[in-house]
Amino acid sequence: SQQGEEDPQALSIQEGENATMNCSYKTSINNLQWYRQNSGRGLVHLILIRSNEREKHSGRLRVTLDTSKKSSSLLITASRAADTASYFCATRASGSRLTFGEGTQLTVNP
Amino acid sequence: SAVISQKPSRDICQRGTSLTIQCQVDSQVTMMFWYRQQPGQSLTLIATANQGSEATYESGFVIDKFPISRPNLTFSTLTVSNMSPEDSSIYLCSVRVGKTGDSNQPQHFGDGTRLSIL
Repeated sequence: SQQGEEDPQALSIQEGENATMNCSYKTSINNLQWYRQNSGRGLVHLILIRSNEREKHSGRLRVTLDTSKKSSSLLITASRAADTASYFCATRASGSRLTFGEGTQLTVNP
Repeated sequence: SAVISQKPSRDICQRGTSLTIQCQVDSQVTMMFWYRQQPGQSLTLIATANQGSEATYESGFVIDKFPISRPNLTFSTLTVSNMSPEDSSIYLCSVRVGKTGDSNQPQHFGDGTRLSIL
């Protein structure tokens, strides 16, 4: 079964707005990773955040991790039409496989 | 990171046939994985491809249906055998660079193989 659950399942916003996606998980983890998938393509790695980190930034992306609540969020600021994609979180516990959430479909309208 | 090349990028196959998907990485990697993504769904790990030994399969996946080879540290193949329409999915190769025991390395994916079974 999937460890991660993401919400919302779908998000539609206007260009220039910020998009926030959330991910919750059930067991202790070593790290959490966020990916983007354009329609029918492979996954692009966005950010890895370790369990001892609380926040990471990469360009317009900001990821937070709250291990006490077993949750993470991905914020995309000043969104663009090209950000339209599915976004997945994936968790890894010590020595185990990467387990994916169900994903959020983001649509950015021009 | 690593550059992952996957072939074919897509195929349409007849039921009952088999297809072998190739994954080539531009550098030696310790861990290689194969995932399946059924239409509209998330990714599910099929198996870990072990260099020089049999792959480690996840629950619900068996070697007879998904034989995997990994002859060296840069190459692996996944065969989808005796295909049925339920096998229509995207199949993705994935790698993790770094020491075997270091799980805090990013895991990267190829562009996937979109497979349709008629």
